[in-house]
Amino acid sequence: AQSVTQPDIHITVSEGASLELRCNYSYGATPYLFWYVQSPGQGLQLLLKYFSGDTLVQGIKGFEAEFKRSQSSFNLRKPSVHWSDAAEYFCAVGPSYNTDKLIFGTGTRLQVFP
Amino acid sequence: EAGVTQFPSHSVIEKGQTVTLRCDPISGHDNLYWYRRVMGKEIKFLLHFVKESKQDESGMPNNRFLAERTGGTYSTLKVQPAELEDSGVYFCASSQDPRVGYTFGSGTRLTVV
Repeated sequence: AQSVTQPDIHITVSEGASLELRCNYSYGATPYLFWYVQSPGQGLQLLLKYFSGDTLVQGIKGFEAEFKRSQSSFNLRKPSVHWSDAAEYFCAVGPSYNTDKLIFGTGTRLQVFP
Repeated sequence: EAGVTQFPSHSVIEKGQTVTLRCDPISGHDNLYWYRRVMGKEIKFLLHFVKESKQDESGMPNNRFLAERTGGTYSTLKVQPAELEDSGVYFCASSQDPRVGYTFGSGTRLTVV
């Protein structure tokens, strides 16, 4: 069955530090992969997506993610975190050939200290 | 373009009452989805409309949940009667091509007491 694992429930970093949020997936075929962010009081905003091609994907707000098929991973990175990046981050996989639905991970809450 | 709009943003109801959530998708988006996040758990798919037709309702938890999309525009999700375990955040999303991505609304936080 398709699944997404985000092993880190809560991460705390200092402003200016680098960030990596982990995402592992289980999927039967080449996946479509997404990272979404939810800031307090806001909806889910798409940060970036991977469908095919270059395995290093650039997104909005200075984020990037790297697809590693051998590790079934799609980790999100940012070289220097800003206080405004404090939010909850969700990795998702889908759609597949027979359904449009996205499978989400449980999310990682990011806290940023000044 | 206007985004996906959901209302109410918050709803607190008593167990056994009825609540109706509404979603207005981006104009022209044929695909409309409902998702739910119960506290501390992952966001889970509920169902998918293509225009006014239910394409996939495999995630609907039980027959207390009724979703409609009359005319293929806005959608409503009714919970009747509400139970405590229905509490959570209900997200709506729309898309013209799901392989490109989905646009989510801000969600409706439902609390059943």
